[in-house]
Amino acid sequence: AQSVTQLGSHVSVSEGALVLLRCNYSSSVPPYLFWYVQYPNQGLQLLLKYTTGATLVKGINGFEAEFKKSETSFHLTKPSAHMSDAAEYFCAVSDKGGGFKTIFGAGTRLFVKA
Amino acid sequence: DTEVTQTPKHLVMGMTNKKSLKCEQHMGHRAMYWYKQKAKKPPELMFVYSYEKLSINESVPSRFSPECPNSSLLNLHLHALQPEDSALYLCASSLPQGSRETQYFGPGTRLLVL
Repeated sequence: AQSVTQLGSHVSVSEGALVLLRCNYSSSVPPYLFWYVQYPNQGLQLLLKYTTGATLVKGINGFEAEFKKSETSFHLTKPSAHMSDAAEYFCAVSDKGGGFKTIFGAGTRLFVKA
Repeated sequence: DTEVTQTPKHLVMGMTNKKSLKCEQHMGHRAMYWYKQKAKKPPELMFVYSYEKLSINESVPSRFSPECPNSSLLNLHLHALQPEDSALYLCASSLPQGSRETQYFGPGTRLLVL
């Protein structure tokens, strides 16, 4: 069965510092992997996704993630945090299974300090 | 256009009321989803429609009744809800079930049951 683990329910960085949000997955098939961002009182917005091909994926708002099969990881990074990046981030894996299901991690709340 | 719209944005209802949530997409997606999200938690899948047929029902109480009138519309009918049903209800859509393509989310309906 597919699963997603996000390490750290809260991450705090200073403005301008590197953002690193960790995600590890397990999947019995080659995974599709996603990062979503959710701002307070809003829906989920796709940041980026990995399906096949290049393992370094670039997304919106300066975020990128690297698929590392050997480490079963899909960590999200941004070189320089901005105050507007403060939000909840969800890593997700798609589940082939008997129907189409996206398995979400528990989420990581990113705080950005001035 | 990668937009999923949901109405209303906010809804307050009593436990004896009947109300409906609406979701619409015009991306030609043939799979549509309802999720429930409690505060500080990831979204939980409730229902999946594929080609206007109910495909996945995650053991949701019968006080929630989904309807897919056509490929662009998805409704969630609410009746005799409980206070614990208060949550953010998210709609999503994607390409046909099983393709593992990206789910696009709407902004959600914030529901409060009194």
